[in-house]
Amino acid sequence: AQSVSQHNHHVILSEAASLELGCNYSYGGTVNLFWYVQYPGQHLQLLLKYFSGDPLVKGIKGFEAEFIKSKFSFNLRKPSVQWSDTAEYFCAVRANQAGTALIFGKGTTLSVSS
Amino acid sequence: DTEVTQTPKHLVMGMTNKKSLKCEQHMGHRAMYWYKQKAKKPPELMFVYSYEKLSINESVPSRFSPECPNSSLLNLHLHALQPEDSALYLCASSQGGGVREAFFGQGTRLTVV
Repeated sequence: AQSVSQHNHHVILSEAASLELGCNYSYGGTVNLFWYVQYPGQHLQLLLKYFSGDPLVKGIKGFEAEFIKSKFSFNLRKPSVQWSDTAEYFCAVRANQAGTALIFGKGTTLSVSS
Repeated sequence: DTEVTQTPKHLVMGMTNKKSLKCEQHMGHRAMYWYKQKAKKPPELMFVYSYEKLSINESVPSRFSPECPNSSLLNLHLHALQPEDSALYLCASSQGGGVREAFFGQGTRLTVV
């Protein structure tokens, strides 16, 4: 079964600082990888996804992530955060086969001060 | 339309009550999911329906009973819940097969008293 670990529990940044959130997964086969964001009081929204091809994927709101297969990693980055990026960020993995479901990491709380 | 609609948004129920949560999508997705999310925790998978058949039950207690009447609807029937079952219950859907992202509803905030 697949599993996901996120290294940072709570990250505190000032506006304009750069962001990198770590995510590692464990699974022996092919996976699909995702980052979801949950703003306070709102539902989960997809930031970006990786299925195959270019390991550097770009998502919404200036976020990007890089899939490094040899490290089983899918780290999320943003060059310059804004106060509005304050949210909970979840990395998720899904085995690339029918009948499977997303498994989430424990999440990282990002707090951005203006 | 990329919406997954969940009703009700909030529900308070007693431990002897029977209630149902509803989820609806019109994206033609053939996989639907129930997740449970406690405060400051990630969503935890409960059930997966694939082409209207239950394909995954993550050892969920029988007081939670899922139902998929058709490809657009997913219900979660609740009976004799405990206060620790209070949580945000999320429904999600995705296209059939493994290579697609899931779209999430806003959730039902359930409080068991």
